[in-house]
Amino acid sequence: QVQLVQSGAEVKKPGASVKLSCKSSGYTFTSAYIHWVRQAPGQGLEWVGIINPSGGSTNYAQKFQGRVTMTSDTSTSTVYMELSSLGSEDTAVYYCARGLFFGDYWGQGTLVTVSS
Amino acid sequence: EIVLTQSLGTLSLSPGERATLSCRASQSITSTYLAWYQKKPGQAPRLLIHGASRRATGIPDRFSGSASGTDFTLTISRLEPEDFAVYYCQQYGSSAWTFGQGTKVEIK
Repeated sequence: QVQLVQSGAEVKKPGASVKLSCKSSGYTFTSAYIHWVRQAPGQGLEWVGIINPSGGSTNYAQKFQGRVTMTSDTSTSTVYMELSSLGSEDTAVYYCARGLFFGDYWGQGTLVTVSS
Repeated sequence: EIVLTQSLGTLSLSPGERATLSCRASQSITSTYLAWYQKKPGQAPRLLIHGASRRATGIPDRFSGSASGTDFTLTISRLEPEDFAVYYCQQYGSSAWTFGQGTKVEIK
């Protein structure tokens, strides 16, 4: 069965960076794009970016350009998202999702808390 | 950038009633690229509908989607207790997703 398993919760100080992981199983890792989406407390869903695990091409939301880096490791079927220069506004649950046009499988989410 | 507008912030209904949720795109989009999700607190979004009207695997047939021009609709024919949640529309374009603001379906 298809599964996306994300890394555990993180607590970071303002200005720090965080690197989240999303490990895929149950399908051919390089056959499907992975998106990252976040949800801040009390807010809606916000798209962060997309990576093609086959080749590593990426596209990021303009809001995060220069602060986000997505990478993939085909040897472990894992996608990573690193977000730098964290501020309190980055406190959110971050999800990875499989698919291009839509997300058919999602990770369980990773809570990132930014606090001094 | 295409903006999706879910005009209803909250819909208050009783179990058994019909829910009609709308999502309007700021410009024409291909129906293939329009999806709906259900989101409950503490859970990941759940894909309900893709291609504007295609139910995802395992989704009950009380959920249906339709499209008319730039207007997209998610209908829940008879609300079950587990259907009270927030619903988001999402579109794909230029290697990116955009989401509507969400509509909360709450128990009246």
